Amino acid sequence: GQQVMQIPQYQHVQEGEDFTTYCNSSTTLSNIQWYKQRPGGHPVFLIQLVKSGEVKKQKRLTFQFGEAKKNSSLHITATQTTDVGTYFCAGSNYKLTFGKGTLLTVNP
Amino acid sequence: DSGVTQTPKHLITATGQRVTLRCSPRSGDLSVYWYQQSLDQGLQFLIQYYNGEERAKGNILERFSAQQFPDLHSELNLSSLELGDSALYFCASSAPFGQGPLMNTEAFFGQGTRLTVV
Repeated sequence: GQQVMQIPQYQHVQEGEDFTTYCNSSTTLSNIQWYKQRPGGHPVFLIQLVKSGEVKKQKRLTFQFGEAKKNSSLHITATQTTDVGTYFCAGSNYKLTFGKGTLLTVNP
Repeated sequence: DSGVTQTPKHLITATGQRVTLRCSPRSGDLSVYWYQQSLDQGLQFLIQYYNGEERAKGNILERFSAQQFPDLHSELNLSSLELGDSALYFCASSAPFGQGPLMNTEAFFGQGTRLTVV
């Protein structure tokens, strides 16, 4: 079945450093979504990528969808303490399959 | 507030028991998803319903079952509970498909039900 792998599992950075998490699917995806879950909270939708090679930006966050529509990345520039949380990618092909997430901690 | 309501928020029960978790989706959303979140396990997809019908199934145990009712609310039934079933159970809903049957639109998550089996 469809599997979505995400690395790294954990990432600790100093405030101001950049952060990247990578997502790979075992199958070609219709679209990929990214979510953020703050500690003690529920996942909150960030963005959806649909087209091959698509790149979208949200302020300091840059999302990319691979040409083969099997991988994606989320890059945060100049992290802030408010960026703390777990970032999940979710691949869509009938099911919405989540990766295990990357827990980002930021040292002020 | 995501607009998705899950009840109860917390549930403590003994092994071997049966519980029902309830989810009310956002107004107008036809899809309901159930996920299980355990420590270090991410969000495990259990099952998805679309407008009352089962649409996709994940790694849902035979002891677990779900349904979506005509008013679109959904229930997840967990029976013969084991200690390992202790987890956070999330329900999410999404709007009708925008670009075809394979396209899942943005999912809105409820606050979750924390189940503790003792």
